[in-house]
Amino acid sequence: GNSVTQMEGPVTLSEEAFLTINCTYTATGYPSLFWYVQYPGEGLQLLLKATKADDKGSNKGFEATYRKETTSFHLEKGSVQVSDSAVYFCALPRGGSEKLVFGKGTKLTVNP
Amino acid sequence: NAGVTQTPKFQVLKTGQSMTLQCAQDMNHEYMSWYRQDPGMGLRLIHYSVGAGITDQGEVPNGYNVSRSTTEDFPLRLLSAAPSQTSVYFCASSFGGDEKLFFGSGTQLSVL
Repeated sequence: GNSVTQMEGPVTLSEEAFLTINCTYTATGYPSLFWYVQYPGEGLQLLLKATKADDKGSNKGFEATYRKETTSFHLEKGSVQVSDSAVYFCALPRGGSEKLVFGKGTKLTVNP
Repeated sequence: NAGVTQTPKFQVLKTGQSMTLQCAQDMNHEYMSWYRQDPGMGLRLIHYSVGAGITDQGEVPNGYNVSRSTTEDFPLRLLSAAPSQTSVYFCASSFGGDEKLFFGSGTQLSVL
């Protein structure tokens, strides 16, 4: 079945540093791919998505490109802020929209 | 708009006790689901529902029951709590055919 492997953290960066969080997937066909973010004490919320190969999802300065050749969907941001401190999850559908498979999460801490 | 509401936020149980975690959404979503979040494990699907009267098992259903008598509510029942069920539980919902999940803020459960 579909699965996702996510870079494990934690990741600690200084403000304005460049961020990459790696995510690779195994899937039948070409499902949509997602990044969710969980801020401290909150539930997850959708950060961005991409629905087909070579599609780029973007939101709040974060970007991720759906790479079919490398089966990857790495999350990037050019200049992180303290407010970006959170846990980031890569995800894809298991077999239906209500059944997402999540990576183990990567905790990001950004120091001023 | 309240979105997805979970109660309680915190709960401590003794081994063998039963309880119900409540989840309600006011967005008229067809799909609802329950996940548990454990350190180093990411989120794992417990049960899900594609509409009122229809439920199915996820990855880790043992020890949990669900029902869906209305579109709005999707309670999760722990039949006889065990320490292995200590976790943070998240309820999520989505529109039919739309893969964006909306999450509640979670219930932190400790079983002693």
